Amino acid sequence: AQSVTQLDSQVPVFEEAPVELRCNYSSSVSVYLFWYVQYPNQGLQLLLKYLSGSTLVKSINGFEAEFNKSQTSFHLRKPSVHISDTAEYFCAVNIPSSASKIIFGSGTRLSIRP
Amino acid sequence: DGGITQSPKYLFRKEGQNVTLSCEQNLNHDAMYWYRQDPGQGLRLIYYSQIVNDFQKGDIAEGYSVSREKKESFPLTVTSAQKNPTAFYLCASSAGRSYEQYFGPGTRLTVT
Repeated sequence: AQSVTQLDSQVPVFEEAPVELRCNYSSSVSVYLFWYVQYPNQGLQLLLKYLSGSTLVKSINGFEAEFNKSQTSFHLRKPSVHISDTAEYFCAVNIPSSASKIIFGSGTRLSIRP
Repeated sequence: DGGITQSPKYLFRKEGQNVTLSCEQNLNHDAMYWYRQDPGQGLRLIYYSQIVNDFQKGDIAEGYSVSREKKESFPLTVTSAQKNPTAFYLCASSAGRSYEQYFGPGTRLTVT
């Protein structure tokens, strides 16, 4: 069965600083990978996804994530964060065309300091 | 606009009462899901449905019930058997099991 681990429960950074939110997964077969963002008291929104092809995927608001098969990782990065990026971020994994369900990590709370 | 609606946003109930949370989608998705989120924790799957008139238990189904009589609707009932029902409840849908899920805005249930 697949699993996903988010190594940091909280990440505080200063505004305009770079950030990396770490995500590692465990699976013996190929996977789909997702990052979701949750703003306070709201549902989750899909930020970006990796299904196949280019290992570097990007969102419209400057985040990017790189699929690294050898390290079984899908870390989320942004070169310069803004106050509005304050949110909780969830990594998720699923196996294509399988009977399994999407598995979510426990989340990383990103707090931006001015 | 296509999307998922959950109502109400906030819900208050007395202990011992059943309560039903609404979830409607107009995305024409086959699959729908219910999650529970507690402070500082990730999402825990309560129930999911891949098709109308069929649903399966998730990881924490005890004390909850669902129905899927229409493709667009997947209501969740929190029964009095649920020992700790106060939480944030999220509904989601997807085109299929392997695809990304789309979430509603959530319902915050408080039971006193």
